[in-house]
Parts: sequence; structure tokens; C-alpha cells
Amino acid sequence: KAGVTQTPRYLIKTRGQQVTLSCSPISGHRSVSWYQQTPGQGLQFLFEYFSETQRNKGNFPGRFSGRQFSNSRSEMNVSTLELGDSALYLCASSPSFEAGGTDTQYFGPGTRLTVL
Amino acid sequence: QKEVEQDPGPLSVPEGAIVSLNCTYSNSAFQYFMWYRQYSRKGPELLMYTYSSGNKEDGRFTAQVDKSSKYISLFIRDSQPSDSATYLCAMIMAGGTSYGKLTFGQGTILTVHP
Repeated sequence: KAGVTQTPRYLIKTRGQQVTLSCSPISGHRSVSWYQQTPGQGLQFLFEYFSETQRNKGNFPGRFSGRQFSNSRSEMNVSTLELGDSALYLCASSPSFEAGGTDTQYFGPGTRLTVL
Repeated sequence: QKEVEQDPGPLSVPEGAIVSLNCTYSNSAFQYFMWYRQYSRKGPELLMYTYSSGNKEDGRFTAQVDKSSKYISLFIRDSQPSDSATYLCAMIMAGGTSYGKLTFGQGTILTVHP
């Protein structure tokens, strides 16, 4: 099976702009989670989607949003970018208990966002 | 205080050594435990997944969970230079409001030198 794919891999934006990142989960996985990774804070949970519904959300401002499509692909959007949003954004897919699997998460390579 | 504490290292060992990586946690609601390996500029790669106290072995890797002490470990036997990476412990609560939320340690940077 192909792994989790994320596009684009690298992105440079300026403050105030918005950005959309894309994630394609492993085939058959219906749960997608997003994380932000920075040297100072480590890996922090942004949100999780299952069957097009956001089931959980981390402690991030409303500028961070996401959605999931019927084919389980997911996007996350960051509006009004700030310098502190520079990070590696990772998405992970899981077969999930509800779909008869486990909640083991498999990560993509990430999108490295730089905000200037 | 962080929910999951992990010594960031760095840890440097000679090839062939046994490596011990550890995490402690404060919330007894964590039920499932994972170890990930992350190479520079890559996404985390799942190494081990456990959900009960005790040991689980997979090749050169052994994961140990002690829920009574809120302590998990990863042992790497016969370490190789290719094991040089950051090792992250992660854990998740069962169901409910914890959907999809892994809580990570800070990661331990490991270098195995020839």
C-alpha cells in the first residue's frame, strides 16, 4: 500500500497570507489527524477528522482549520499567517477502531512551511 | 508540567551497544503507547505499538510498559549507525474526546557512532 502523502512538501509564505496543505491517507484509512512540529514545542495535535467530521481539536487559534472529503483526503488551512506558524505540518492516517482497525497512526513526510 | 516527559538527550553510543529510551507520563487515562523514529527532515515512522503492561519485542526493538509506574521504555539491541535519529514516545487515551490525539514526548536524539 502507498503511504500517507502530503503536498506541497515545502512552502514559503509571507505574514498575513493564507495557506492550504493537502493530505492523502493510506487507502482504507478513514481517520486523519494533523500535527504541528516545532523545535520548541515538539509535536502538537491540531485536529482529527473521521468520515468528513471533525471529532477532536487541539488548542490552536481559529486561524487553523481543516476539512475532510468523502474519499478521506484532508486539507488544512491557516489564515492570516504569523511568523510563529513556521513549522513542519504533519498529517497521520489511522484505520480507527470504528472502522474495525486500531488507532495506530501512520505519518506522512510533512509540509515544511516558512513564514517570512 | 508536561503530560509526557522524555529526556531529550542527546544520547551518543558506540555501535553494538544496547540503548534504553524512556518516557514518564502523568495521566493514567493514557492506554495505548507508541514509539516513533524520526530521521532529519522526515515524518515520524512507527516502530512499536503496545496497549498493555509488559514487554513486546520486534527484532532488535523491545517496548516495555509499566502502567502502575506510568513509565514506558524502548530498548534497542545491537545498535547500528542507521539507528541514529530522534525517538519519540507517544500515547493516546481510549475513545471519547481523545479521538486521534497523540500526546508526544519531546523526543530523544540518538547518535550511534561506528
